Amino acid sequence: GQQVMQIPQYQHVQEGEDFTTYCNSSTTLSNIQWYKQRPGGHPVFLIQLVKSGEVKKQKRLTFQFGEAKKNSSLHITATQTTDVGTYFCAARRWGKLIFGQGTELSVKP
Amino acid sequence: SAVISQKPSRDICQRGTSLTIQCQVDSQVTMMFWYRQQPGQSLTLIATANQGSEATYESGFVIDKFPISRPNLTFSTLTVSNMSPEDSSIYLCSVEGTEKNTEAFFGQGTRLTVV
Repeated sequence: GQQVMQIPQYQHVQEGEDFTTYCNSSTTLSNIQWYKQRPGGHPVFLIQLVKSGEVKKQKRLTFQFGEAKKNSSLHITATQTTDVGTYFCAARRWGKLIFGQGTELSVKP
Repeated sequence: SAVISQKPSRDICQRGTSLTIQCQVDSQVTMMFWYRQQPGQSLTLIATANQGSEATYESGFVIDKFPISRPNLTFSTLTVSNMSPEDSSIYLCSVEGTEKNTEAFFGQGTRLTVV
């Protein structure tokens, strides 16, 4: 079945450094969503991308959807300790959300 | 948005016993979803709970092991039956917005440890 591959699995950065996680699919996606899960918490929706080549920003977070709608990325500029958590992409297939493996971000102050 | 109350938040259970997890939503929703998240892993869909019909299970999950109830449009339960240590995981209920292809809202999760 369709899988959504997400890399890297872990990322350790110094506070102030940038961070990027990537999501790839072998098939064209209708849309892609991003979620953040804080340690000990539950996933919280961040954003949905629908259009080819779409770029959306939320403060220090930049989300991109590839031109072919097969890949997406989340970039955080100048990370802060509050950015710690696991970031998941999720794609919809047959009405169900398929989650990527997640990228766990740790930030050293 | 939707507010989801899930309980218990955590439990430690003996192997061979069963645990029922409850999920209450503050609005009526057609479908509710149950996920499992094993330690350090992603979310895996267990089943979709539809009001008025049997739940639809994903590959690898069966009704005998994870019976689900959906008595009305705001409530669902998931039972983890005859538990073994391999069932230790976080179980999450979820609903989605009323529009098609909108975001998912999650309960706080139930952290289950089977000893």
